[in-house]
Amino acid sequence: EAGVVQSPRYKIIEKKQPVAFWCNPISGHNTLYWYLQNLGQGPELLIRYENEEAVDDSQLPKDRFSAERLKGVDSTLKIQPAELGDSAVYLCASSSGLVTDTQYFGPGTRLTVL
Amino acid sequence: SQQGEEDPQALSIQEGENATMNCSYKTSINNLQWYRQNSGRGLVHLILIRSNEREKHSGRLRVTLDTSKKSSSLLITASRAADTASYFCATDLSGYSTLTFGKGTMLLVSP
Repeated sequence: EAGVVQSPRYKIIEKKQPVAFWCNPISGHNTLYWYLQNLGQGPELLIRYENEEAVDDSQLPKDRFSAERLKGVDSTLKIQPAELGDSAVYLCASSSGLVTDTQYFGPGTRLTVL
Repeated sequence: SQQGEEDPQALSIQEGENATMNCSYKTSINNLQWYRQNSGRGLVHLILIRSNEREKHSGRLRVTLDTSKKSSSLLITASRAADTASYFCATDLSGYSTLTFGKGTMLLVSP
């Protein structure tokens, strides 16, 4: 069974440019998460989807970040415009959505903003 | 904000020794989970312990949970060089898998 797929793995952009990250969850997983992980820190939740509905986006900086999961399968996270402080690893995870189910993480996208 | 705090921040041991990492949290939880992250990779789930459980085992891993002290520990027995990684505890407050992670413990196991 394929795991969570993320692309690209690495991205280097200049500040004020837009950037997008893509995630394909494990087949059949209804719940999808985007996390941000700064160096030396644990992941912090940005947004959680149940199918195509964003059920928790309280930590998503909505002035510059947006996300979508139109068909309830794969998802895209966008930053526009990027700032220097956005340099981090962006992790996607998925789960079946059952209570106390574990989350399966993708390898992440390492973003560097110059 | 990060609910859990792991201790120590870094741990260096020799192969064959046991490694113990601790996690403290602030609010009541539904369950607590431990994850491992190898350098440059995503997180891998290790073990989940529910709030009504006190101890759980999985292979060389032993997790304890003390809800009265709001703390958990992860013990890795007979460590191997391949156990070198960062270990994170994550708390689930509601049982609907919204996790809050700590800052992690970096474990280095030397051959």
